Amino acid sequence: AQSVTQPDIHITVSEGASLELRCNYSYGATPYLFWYVQSPGQGLQLLLKYFSGDTLVQGIKGFEAEFKRSQSSFNLRKPSVHWSDAAEYFCAVGDGTASKLTFGTGTRLQVTL
Amino acid sequence: KAGVTQTPRYLIKTRGQQVTLSCSPISGHRSVSWYQQTPGQGLQFLFEYFSETQRNKGNFPGRFSGRQFSNSRSEMNVSTLELGDSALYLCASSSTGTPGANVLTFGAGSRLTVL
Repeated sequence: AQSVTQPDIHITVSEGASLELRCNYSYGATPYLFWYVQSPGQGLQLLLKYFSGDTLVQGIKGFEAEFKRSQSSFNLRKPSVHWSDAAEYFCAVGDGTASKLTFGTGTRLQVTL
Repeated sequence: KAGVTQTPRYLIKTRGQQVTLSCSPISGHRSVSWYQQTPGQGLQFLFEYFSETQRNKGNFPGRFSGRQFSNSRSEMNVSTLELGDSALYLCASSSTGTPGANVLTFGAGSRLTVL
């Protein structure tokens, strides 16, 4: 069965500092990987996705993620965090054909000024 | 292009009642999926409808059901509500089941509180 682990429940960074959110997945075939962000009381917004090809993918809002098959990881990074990035971030894995995604438990990002 | 619209945004019910939630997908999207989000269980897949047929189902009791209409709008119903059904119910739509092309766009959710 597929699974996603986000080991960090809560992360606090200073505005302007770099950010890395960790995601490890377990999937038997080629994974389709996603990062979503959720602001309080809102739905999920897609930040970026990996289907195939270049293992470093660029997303919206200056985010990027790197797929490392050998480590079963898909970590999310941003070089300089803005206060508006404070939200909850979810990593997800799917088979790319259906709409059944398996989500991690999320990482709540707090940004201090 | 309008996004995924969910109604109502907030509702309060009592145990034993039933509830119906509605989802209008992005125009042209034929697949609608539903997810339940709770603090304890996180985001869990409920079911997916494609062209009015349930294509995939998660591990939820039969009290949770759904349907999709010919215009791709979808409804989900929860009967005999329990306190544990309190959650944010998220609907997502996508355009196709083609491998590598299926990306979910989520609505803002319907917040259900069961008293």
